[in-house]
Amino acid sequence: DVKVTQSSRYLVKRTGEKVFLECVQDMDHENMFWYRQDPGLGLRLIYFSYDVKMKEKGDIPEGYSVSREKKERFSLILESASTNQTSMYLCASRIDGGPLHFGNGTRLTVT
Amino acid sequence: SQQGEEDPQALSIQEGENATMNCSYKTSINNLQWYRQNSGRGLVHLILIRSNEREKHSGRLRVTLDTSKKSSSLLITASRAADTASYFCATARGADGLTFGKGTHLIIQP
Repeated sequence: DVKVTQSSRYLVKRTGEKVFLECVQDMDHENMFWYRQDPGLGLRLIYFSYDVKMKEKGDIPEGYSVSREKKERFSLILESASTNQTSMYLCASRIDGGPLHFGNGTRLTVT
Repeated sequence: SQQGEEDPQALSIQEGENATMNCSYKTSINNLQWYRQNSGRGLVHLILIRSNEREKHSGRLRVTLDTSKKSSSLLITASRAADTASYFCATARGADGLTFGKGTHLIIQP
């Protein structure tokens, strides 16, 4: 079974802090994704990556960046956290054309 | 951009009854997928139906796809308390991952 692991289940950060959300998958998937989930808005794609060192913007990339130095790891970076980035963050991976495999999410609160 | 829209937003039924959720989408698709999310957890893939398929079964799940109406339905038969969750349809946006709807929250009453 594919395992996608997000490093933290809950995270509380202060406004202006730099925040790193880490995601690791163990199935050698090429594609990795970061979504955020908010009540009433559903899941929205932030960034995705086809391969190591490659990244593409999703629908809401503003205020975020990503890093993919190794195939199994995809990091989401909030350069300067703001309260409107309080959300549930979901990482996912897949092979080309396959279904998404999600981690359990990181619930981030920015105060 | 939101592609799929689930209907209803919330559904409450008795255990043992069947649950039907619908999904409508706007543009042409490669495939349509259904996912389940238990409270506070990540999403779990349930079933994928390709654009050239009309119906697919997996255990107690039955999915239909009508590309002329740009709609899909998910039927869960003989519902159980453990089926209580949110259900999302998702459409493939080429190679760029999936676009999800806002979900149907299903509650199974014992």
